[in-house]
Amino acid sequence: EDQVTQSPEALRLQEGESSSLNCSYTVSGLRGLFWYRQDPGKGPEFLFTLYSAGEEKEKERLKATLTKKESFLHITAPKPEDSATYLCAVLGGYQKVTFGTGTKLQVIP
Amino acid sequence: DAGVIQSPRHEVTEMGQEVTLRCKPISGHNSLFWYRQTMMRGLELLIYFNNNVPIDDSGMPEDRFSAKMPNASFSTLKIQPSEPRDSAVYFCASSFQNTGLPMQFFGPGTRLTVL
Repeated sequence: EDQVTQSPEALRLQEGESSSLNCSYTVSGLRGLFWYRQDPGKGPEFLFTLYSAGEEKEKERLKATLTKKESFLHITAPKPEDSATYLCAVLGGYQKVTFGTGTKLQVIP
Repeated sequence: DAGVIQSPRHEVTEMGQEVTLRCKPISGHNSLFWYRQTMMRGLELLIYFNNNVPIDDSGMPEDRFSAKMPNASFSTLKIQPSEPRDSAVYFCASSFQNTGLPMQFFGPGTRLTVL
């Protein structure tokens, strides 16, 4: 069974304080890893897809990286509007998407 | 584009009652997914359809849950009879499955409370 573990569960940062979120996974035949952002009371919003180890994707202050066992979401100089829950998900060989439980990020002005 | 539309946004019902959740996917998308989100278990895939055909329903927790997709623009998730442990936020998502890995677009969710 595919498994996704995200850490930390919650992270509180000062505005401008860079950090990283971790997503560790166990999957049979990884076809892709996804990062989503979820704001309170809303559905997840797609951020990135990573296909293979060594790949990196960037969007504004966010950069996602992938290794054979984990992915990191790096947040550089975060702003309060980056506060949200960040979800990681994997698509394995069984064509099924498995989500982690997320990291709740709070950026304080 | 209106995005994925779900109704109702909130549902409060009593144990034993039937609950029907509705979803309209993004026009042109050919895959539709139903998820359940709770604090304890996070986001769980219940079932997904491709071209209106159920492909994987292994996430449906019990026979009390059923889902249909009668056409490309409408799907329902029904719970009968409902139980308090079914209380959660239910999301519908859609995507265009062609080549590569399609991103899923999520609706705003239905918050279900079973008393």
